Amino acid sequence: SQQGEEDPQALSIQEGENATMNCSYKTSINNLQWYRQNSGRGLVHLILIRSNEREKHSGRLRVTLDTSKKSSSLLITASRAADTASYFCATVGSSNTGKLIFGQGTTLQVKP
Amino acid sequence: DGGITQSPKYLFRKEGQNVTLSCEQNLNHDAMYWYRQDPGQGLRLIYYSQIVNDFQKGDIAEGYSVSREKKESFPLTVTSAQKNPTAFYLCATMGVRSADTQYFGPGTRLTVL
Repeated sequence: SQQGEEDPQALSIQEGENATMNCSYKTSINNLQWYRQNSGRGLVHLILIRSNEREKHSGRLRVTLDTSKKSSSLLITASRAADTASYFCATVGSSNTGKLIFGQGTTLQVKP
Repeated sequence: DGGITQSPKYLFRKEGQNVTLSCEQNLNHDAMYWYRQDPGQGLRLIYYSQIVNDFQKGDIAEGYSVSREKKESFPLTVTSAQKNPTAFYLCATMGVRSADTQYFGPGTRLTVL
């Protein structure tokens, strides 16, 4: 079942601007992850935030998690054309079965 | 994609034929997963295996079958019972030390004619 819903479905920005994507989920989680997918390729893990964390940084990426609202956001700062890709959030439930449940993704286009 | 290979990259089959997609890994990961991705959609879990000789159905297992005879290999068979098999299929692995992070192969695009 699809747990995550992502917003917006598509985003187009100019190089140098920031991009923000949001993810909402339905059940309690152990952690939430963000993945990136270039067109026609496999997914690449970007960052993981645990349920007891509120914010995490990795390079130009900033992830926030609000468990009370069951939502997360991914901010990419100073975007580059190479950031053009689809971005997916994925959650691991509290039962920790090792299963990821993916959202439907946000397609980001960064124009040079 | 390093450490996980999926073959072939593109696969064409006639309707009614079974087809097997390969997934091999050299990461020594215990868990392996098969996902299906349709255009503009997220990933849906077909089957997963957390240990050799054991596997569980995911959310959309009907019309698919798997085996896990070796740690390195987790082939997926798309049977003729799968009503709409044309899709992008992704294999992933997860190790004990990878903290729920999954590593993905490059995918196989299956087109049924």
